[in-house]
Amino acid sequence: AQKITQTQPGMFVQEKEAVTLDCTYDTSDPSYGLFWYKQPSSGEMIFLIYQGSYDQQNATEGRYSLNFQKARKSANLVISASQLGDSAMYFCAMRGTAAGNKLTFGGGTRVLVKP
Amino acid sequence: DTEVTQTPKHLVMGMTNKKSLKCEQHMGHRAMYWYKQKAKKPPELMFVYSYEKLSINESVPSRFSPECPNSSLLNLHLHALQPEDSALYLCASSPLPAGGSDEQYFGPGTRLTVT
Repeated sequence: AQKITQTQPGMFVQEKEAVTLDCTYDTSDPSYGLFWYKQPSSGEMIFLIYQGSYDQQNATEGRYSLNFQKARKSANLVISASQLGDSAMYFCAMRGTAAGNKLTFGGGTRVLVKP
Repeated sequence: DTEVTQTPKHLVMGMTNKKSLKCEQHMGHRAMYWYKQKAKKPPELMFVYSYEKLSINESVPSRFSPECPNSSLLNLHLHALQPEDSALYLCASSPLPAGGSDEQYFGPGTRLTVT
C-alpha cells in the first residue's frame, strides 16, 4: 500500500517570501512518481510539478521546486517569491505500480499569502 | 487544447432524480478518471477508463454509473443519490493509463448538491 502524509493543515506566508510545504510518503514500490497539485477555491486541480523516484536531480518548474529526499521519503514543495494568487490548497500525490498506478493524494495544506 | 471541460458547473438534484455529469477532453488522452471530493478532503478515485474500457471501479455504489461513449467523452450517470453524495466531482484525463511522468489533467469540477 502507498500512503502520503501532509502534516501542515494550513499556513500563512508573507507575499514575496518563500514557503515550504511538507510531504512524506510510504511505499514498497521501487519505482514511483510524486506530484504536486494546486487547488484554488474555484475547485480545479492544477498540476505543478513532478518528481520520478529515479530522477537524480530535484525537479523545478518556474517558482516551484521539489526538495526530494529519497532516503527520508520526503518530497517537499518550495514556492519561491509567493504571490497573492498562490493562496490555495496544495496536494501532494503519488503514483506507483503497487497501487495499480492510481494517484493517491495526501490530506492537503491550505496556504494563505498575506500582502 | 490542454483543457478538460465539465458540465454542468453546479447541479442540485433530489434523491429521486436522474441526472448526468459530462466530461470532455480533446488532447487525445486514452485514460479518463472520475474523482469525488468532499469539502476539505483530498479527491477520492471512483472510476478509471483506459482505452474506453472501464479498468478500475473503486467499489462505488451502483447509483453512480460511468460511461465512456468515445475517447473524448466521459459521463457519470446519477440515480437515487443520497444527501451524503453531495460533493465536488472531478474529471481528469492522462495520455496513458499508467506510468511515467504523465500527469493527470483535471477539469473544473461539478459541484453536486443532493436534497
